[in-house]
Parts: sequence; structure tokens; C-alpha cells
Amino acid sequence: GDQVEQSPSALSLHEGTGSALRCNFTTTMRAVQWFQQNSRGSLINLFYLASGTKENGRLKSTFNSKESYSTLHIRDAQLEDSGTYFCAAGLGTGNYKYVFGAGTRLKVIA
Amino acid sequence: EAAVTQSPRSKVAVTGGKVTLSCHQTNNHDYMYWYRQDTGHGLRLIHYSYVADSTEKGDIPDGYKASRPSQENFSLILELASLSQTAVYFCASSGRASAETLYFGSGTRLTVL
Repeated sequence: GDQVEQSPSALSLHEGTGSALRCNFTTTMRAVQWFQQNSRGSLINLFYLASGTKENGRLKSTFNSKESYSTLHIRDAQLEDSGTYFCAAGLGTGNYKYVFGAGTRLKVIA
Repeated sequence: EAAVTQSPRSKVAVTGGKVTLSCHQTNNHDYMYWYRQDTGHGLRLIHYSYVADSTEKGDIPDGYKASRPSQENFSLILELASLSQTAVYFCASSGRASAETLYFGSGTRLTVL
């Protein structure tokens, strides 16, 4: 079955507002990465976390390995934040794979 | 910033033909990956490699081969292209598996007719 479940699948935000995206994992993950896929299709690195919380500008991400989830918070959303956000989870020791979620399609509205 | 370059950017192929997608990275990374993205979906791992001259199967390897002739280069080969292989293909690299950030190329849009 799916090892990475992302929610919501789609989201609309008005400029200046915020929300949280979530990834739930069905097995123990060593690390998580978050990516934004922009309108041109490029995948942009946002965060890599093995634990804890990281913040970069209007974005903040948390990875709770014990409870098997990660979140991406967006505050003060801007039009350029529109796109699809993916989390990718790194499996345990000796496994070289990242498993991607299905993504959250974010549309920021003026 | 790691640089991963894919070629071609897009390609149209005929059913049954051979297709080779190329990937080149300039950041001295050991690990390289090929992912496939279908419209409206996430990425699925096809093949990966952690050392030159060796490749490993990912989650959906059927119909694909991979080649890693050097640390910098990683190719994906479709010996007999099929309609179902129409997708966008992404190459990625990382310094260590599951321990460092994945850096992606810009993708190759493959259409099989």
C-alpha cells in the first residue's frame, strides 16, 4: 500500500493567508524532503529534515519520526507560491529510495 | 548548488522504437535516480545507482534499463517504447542515500505515439 499519504490533495488560499500541508507515513522514515513543483514543471528543494523543525522565510516544516508525519506550513501566501507541493520520505537504513506522496495542488488567489 | 542536466528536454518517439534519456551531474554525487511522473501524480522510482557501472531496480523497472558509465552520467533506456511510457522523466542526484537533499534536473517530456 501507499507509504506516504499527503493531504489535502488540493487547496486554495487568498493572498496573505496561510495553511498547513501534511504527510503521513505508514512506516518508519529516516528523513523527509519537501519540494515545490512550479508552473514550468521544475522541482524546487524546500526542506530536508531528519528530525525537528526548519524555517525559511514564510515556510516552516516539521518532521516527527516517532508519530510518522511531517508538515509544511505556509504563511502570508503569495501568488508565486502556487504549484504542487510534494513530500518525499527516505526509508530506513540500507534502503536508498525516496517515496513520494501524490502532492498537494496549491492555488493562491489574489 | 548541485547541477543536474537532462537531455533532451522533450522527445517524440514511435511505438517500438528505442529511446535514450541522458542525465549529467556536476556535483560529485554518488547517488543518481530516474523517476517518472504521470500527469497529476507524484514521482515513482524507476532505477537508481550508487556507484559507476552498477544500477539497481526501483519500484517500476519493467520496460526500462539504466546505465551508469561514470559517476557523472546516468542514462535511462527504453528498448521498445510503448504508449504507456508517455510521461515526464526526472533525473536526480544526492550525496548520500536518504541522508541528503535530492537535486532534480528539469525533466524530459516523452511522448510515445
